[in-house]
Amino acid sequence: DAGVIQSPRHEVTEMGQEVTLRCKPISGHDYLFWYRQTMMRGLELLIYFNNNVPIDDSGMPEDRFSAKMPNASFSTLKIQPSEPRDSAVYFCASSFHRGSTEAFFGQGTRLTVV
Amino acid sequence: SQKIEQNSEALNIQEGKTATLTCNYTNYSPAYLQWYRQDPGRGPVFLLLIRENEKEKRKERLKVTFDTTLKQSLFHITASQPADSATYLCALDSPSSNTGKLIFGQGTTLQVKP
Repeated sequence: DAGVIQSPRHEVTEMGQEVTLRCKPISGHDYLFWYRQTMMRGLELLIYFNNNVPIDDSGMPEDRFSAKMPNASFSTLKIQPSEPRDSAVYFCASSFHRGSTEAFFGQGTRLTVV
Repeated sequence: SQKIEQNSEALNIQEGKTATLTCNYTNYSPAYLQWYRQDPGRGPVFLLLIRENEKEKRKERLKVTFDTTLKQSLFHITASQPADSATYLCALDSPSSNTGKLIFGQGTTLQVKP
């Protein structure tokens, strides 16, 4: 397996634009996590799914953020409209069976909103 | 509120010495605790997991301890090498054990000098 795949690796967009980040988890994993990492706040959990169902979205900062998982092999994180303070590295991770095993992270998407 | 604290300052040590990193938590009763390594520009990579009923775990030059009374985990790298230089993150499951929700500390940056 190629691991967790995220796209794009880098995204530069103007304030107000819609941004969509994509993630393909490891096949067979039943948990998918979206994290955001900044120098100030570290690695923050935004939302996670179990068997494609959102379980906890309490970390999503605002209604401008939304995430979907239409099937077991694909998830998106959308920001609309984007703001400069959304600039960060966004990581997707997946794990297997109740989250009690390790999480496998993608390479991340570095988002810059100007 | 729940809190995870790691050494906020970078840890600088000489090659060959043992590095010890600390992870303290409050208002948690985690079922397990994990340690990850993160290199610049990359996603975190899992290193070790220790469960609440385990006091110590080892893997090659790595050793993790877990004291649920002190609410603390220590992460040791013996015979450290410059290649061990990275940021190390601890992660705990949520207060509701086994929900799959993984929360990370801010990380400690380790620099091993030759």
